[in-house]
Amino acid sequence: SQTIHQWPATLVQPVGSPLSLECTVEGTSNPNLYWYRQAAGRGLQLLFYSVGIGQISSEVPQNLSASRPQDRQFILSSKKLLLSDSGFYLCAWRDDRVRHYEQYFGPGTRLTVT
Amino acid sequence: AQKVTQAQTEISVVEKEDVTLDCVYETRDTTYYLFWYKQPPSGELVFLIRRNSFDEQNEISGRYSWNFQKSTSSFNFTITASQVVDSAVYFCALSAQSLNNDMRFGAGTRLTVKP
Repeated sequence: SQTIHQWPATLVQPVGSPLSLECTVEGTSNPNLYWYRQAAGRGLQLLFYSVGIGQISSEVPQNLSASRPQDRQFILSSKKLLLSDSGFYLCAWRDDRVRHYEQYFGPGTRLTVT
Repeated sequence: AQKVTQAQTEISVVEKEDVTLDCVYETRDTTYYLFWYKQPPSGELVFLIRRNSFDEQNEISGRYSWNFQKSTSSFNFTITASQVVDSAVYFCALSAQSLNNDMRFGAGTRLTVKP
């Protein structure tokens, strides 16, 4: 069966510091991968998605970036965090053979920028 | 427009009451998929159900049931005999060809079930 991991689970970082969140998927190959952000008490905002290694699509212009160095690894980064980057970051995957089907989510990373 | 509207921001019920969460969608696609997810306090989104646009049969899974009506562009979710463990935020979502790889989520409904 497939599993998706995210780490760290929680993170407290000062403004201006760098960020690296990691997401890995097991039990599948060539998944579509997604990064979402959820501000406190709000809905989900799609940040990036990837259909393959090195292929990243950005949905929202901001100071975040994403990379996919391996088939089942998706990384969210920032060079300098802003207060507004605080939130709950969720990684998700979908089987690329079944377009438009459900996405499966990881446990999330709660980021607080101070 | 491709849009999902969950008009109920928060709902509070007492245990054992039935509760219906509303979801209204907009899409220009003829083929599309609708979903419900549950987000408990732990934060992880849990997939509950997928429905495609050609299947209007209602679905029942234990205490959960879903009513899909294309005529009103709605995909409502009913929990029968609610329990405290049902307390969560519930998201309705839409996926369609014109959305490419995106899934459009509603804003979510926070359900609180009191003992």
